[in-house]
Amino acid sequence: EPEVTQTPSHQVTQMGQEVILRCVPISNHLYFYWYRQILGQKVEFLVSFYNNEISEKSEIFDDQFSVERPDGSNFTLKIRSTKLEDSAMYFCASRDRGQAFSNQPQHFGDGTRLSIL
Amino acid sequence: AQSVTQLDSHVSVSEGTPVLLRCNYSSSYSPSLFWYVQHPNKGLQLLLKYTSAATLVKGINGFEAEFKKSETSFHLTKPSAHMSDAAEYFCVVDGGSQGNLIFGKGTKLSVKP
Repeated sequence: EPEVTQTPSHQVTQMGQEVILRCVPISNHLYFYWYRQILGQKVEFLVSFYNNEISEKSEIFDDQFSVERPDGSNFTLKIRSTKLEDSAMYFCASRDRGQAFSNQPQHFGDGTRLSIL
Repeated sequence: AQSVTQLDSHVSVSEGTPVLLRCNYSSSYSPSLFWYVQHPNKGLQLLLKYTSAATLVKGINGFEAEFKKSETSFHLTKPSAHMSDAAEYFCVVDGGSQGNLIFGKGTKLSVKP
């Protein structure tokens, strides 16, 4: 079964540095998402991406964050000038359009654990 | 606005006994609801989904959930727990036109031998 893959599985970065988290969504999917889960808290929506642009973003997704689909396969999340509170598990997800959009579940990767020191 | 509330942060059962993980939802329209499972150090795996078809939804690994509009509930059940069911379970509602998901806080299921 096709999978969403995320790299790296664990990223350790000094505070203030930039970090790029990478995702390869399922190949025929059209919608892409990033979520994060701070340790001990719920999974939170960050951003959705469709047709090469952001379609929706949460309050968390401020100017520090950006997303990009640089080629036909990768979907990246960039965090500029990382802060301690950015430490979290970051999940990428993708979703097919399908005939009934709401019937299409999101498929998640295994996540990237980001640790800011 | 859509939201979900998972009523228990931790549930502990013995192997072979039934599992009940409770979830209530709030939605201004007919919702799409999901249960996801997260095993330690793994991603989120879809267990089952409700999308306004049958109210009793069967998922993988013997889990099922029943959508009850009158009670705004979507509880997850399994007749007989297995050790491998120990994980964190998330009740999730589809949050908007772009399909972003809104997660509950999660219920950690422990299974005792």
